[in-house]
Formats: sequence, C-alpha cells, structure tokens
Amino acid sequence: DIVMTQTPLSSPVTLGQPASISCRSSQSLVHKDGNTYLSWLHQRPGQPPRLLIYKVSNRFSGVPDRISGSGAGTDFTLKISRVEAEDVGVYFCMQGTRLPNTFGQGTKLEIQ
Amino acid sequence: QVQLVESGGGVVQPGRSLRLSCAASGFSFNNYDMHWVRQAPGKGLEWVAVIWTDGSNKYYADSVKGRFTISRDNSKNTLFLEIDSLRVEDTGVYYCARAEDFWTDYWGQGTLVTVSS
Repeated sequence: DIVMTQTPLSSPVTLGQPASISCRSSQSLVHKDGNTYLSWLHQRPGQPPRLLIYKVSNRFSGVPDRISGSGAGTDFTLKISRVEAEDVGVYFCMQGTRLPNTFGQGTKLEIQ
Repeated sequence: QVQLVESGGGVVQPGRSLRLSCAASGFSFNNYDMHWVRQAPGKGLEWVAVIWTDGSNKYYADSVKGRFTISRDNSKNTLFLEIDSLRVEDTGVYYCARAEDFWTDYWGQGTLVTVSS
C-alpha cells in the first residue's frame, strides 16, 4: 500500500498569514495514464470532508484562489496564501492512483 | 445539486451484522463509481471499499476484506455496505463518497456505527 505522510500534524497560524502543508507518498503517484491523482480535502469540526484540490493543482468548484496545490511524483504541497477563520479544521491528502486509496494522517490548522 | 445521505448506523453488539445505505440524488448515479470511507472517533480517514458503476468490480481494504460487502442498486440510486462480524474497532463514522475519475468529489454527512457490548 502507498503510505501518505503529512507534515506538520498541527499548524497554528495567524489570520491573514500564509500556511503550508506537505504531503509525501512512499511511491510515485504518477498513474500509467500519465496523470497524478493526488487530492486535498478539508474537514471542519463535526462536518464531512470536502474536496479542495484534485490532480495535484486543480481547484474544485467554489474553492477560493487563495488555496493552491502543487508538487509532482512523491512530494506535494497545499498552500493557503492568507488564512481566514473558515480555514480551521483538518486537512487530508489522498492518493487515488493505486488501490487501496490512502490518506495522510491529517494536519490540524488552528488559529493562534 | 449532488446529495448523498447515509443511514443504517447505530449501536450494535460485537459479532452482529449491520447494513448501511447511501441514498444518492442530483446526479446520474449509474455513471459513477462509489466509495465507502470510515473515520474512527478522533482519528483520520480510512478508505474501506469501492464499487464500479455497474457493480462488476469491487475492491476492499485488507482490514475489512471477508467481512464487508459493498453493493449498489442503480434502479434505486442507492449504495450499500453490509458489515458482518462487527468488531469494536469498526466503530466510527461511515461516509459514502462519489468518485470522479480517481478522486472523491462529494461526500455524505456520514452515519455513526458504535460497536459495544
């Protein structure tokens, strides 16, 4: 199975400041079709996860452009250019390149 | 709009069985693969199973293989998860999620399964 490792596991941030989360996979996430199926999800307390980013850097419908994804191969990053109060919660990376799909442990974003 | 509504959770004794349902609406259900993902209390997300559009292929996490069965009824726009021989470690919120290509784009609110004697 592909192991997904996120850092940091907890990130205290100041409103209006940037935040960055790293996700590393134990194997390359390049699919045989040439695409890389790495997505990012956000889960607010008491809510289900919701999709933010798919295929490394594509924003899902309604996701603000201050949220962006980048990376390739085994190293990926989620960036929030200016943190807002609604960004609190846990962020998960997920690989869909190979079954079983696997998730990172989650990174908790807290406002300090 | 896309809606996924899970049901069927509850408090169950170890060793018993449970059938979870996920009612889909707002999209052509039979055109999408569907996943189950679970989350133990206070923990991260664990992928459980996926079923292809026509039910012809199903894949399971090793941790649930042999005890969980994923199925679907495209005539009723409903996804199912049958869980046998429930264990305490199966406790958690079970989400169904729609697969768009090789990612999950919409998730339900989840249904809580508590396995306890």
